[in-house]
Amino acid sequence: DQQVKQNSPSLSVQEGRISILNCDYTNSMFDYFLWYKKYPAEGPTFLISISSIKDKNEDGRFTVFLNKSAKHLSLHIVPSQPGDSAVYFCAAGYNTDKLIFGTGTRLQVFP
Amino acid sequence: GAVVSQHPSWVICKSGTSVKIECRSLDFQATTMFWYRQFPKQSLMLMATSNEGSKATYEQGVEKDKFLINHASLTLSTLTVTSAHPEDSSFYICSASGGIVEETQYFGPGTRLLVL
Repeated sequence: DQQVKQNSPSLSVQEGRISILNCDYTNSMFDYFLWYKKYPAEGPTFLISISSIKDKNEDGRFTVFLNKSAKHLSLHIVPSQPGDSAVYFCAAGYNTDKLIFGTGTRLQVFP
Repeated sequence: GAVVSQHPSWVICKSGTSVKIECRSLDFQATTMFWYRQFPKQSLMLMATSNEGSKATYEQGVEKDKFLINHASLTLSTLTVTSAHPEDSSFYICSASGGIVEETQYFGPGTRLLVL
């Protein structure tokens, strides 16, 4: 049973437009959520996180929204840039315990 | 800050040999380190969690005698793949927590293992 799901395996967005990556989870015990960016043959790079007590966290071009009632979070990237092309993983955890990762969404930003 | 390194970055070995992968937190003390394995086109799968000075906790389905984890200090954890076989070929990634934002895991660059 997959507790963290990213239902879109890929997303293609034009440069300058908004990229929206979605993530759903099933475990209501999760109390923090993170987004990671991963290039091929590299480890994931931490992007942004959000605690369950918040519904929005913004850092530059990246904003994460959390809807606890829907058990849904999303990462917005605006404006999208070609360098943003990578695989994005959402992850969830509780009590500083292990993270549960989604399967990733491959984002491609084209000129 | 919160830099994690892994060594080696890639390794090729013969079937039956053992391979050791090191994971180091360079500028913070890692209270907990995690080892992940990534299969092609799949998510990161947690293999085990280790705390300094105690035995690692392995996830279900991960052979503890096959994947030996030693968390020798607050800055070093090692994963040894014993008697490696071709099916062990994969991308192994470690992460460490305990930095400025404690619940955030900081990942190493990964080690690609190819067993011939």
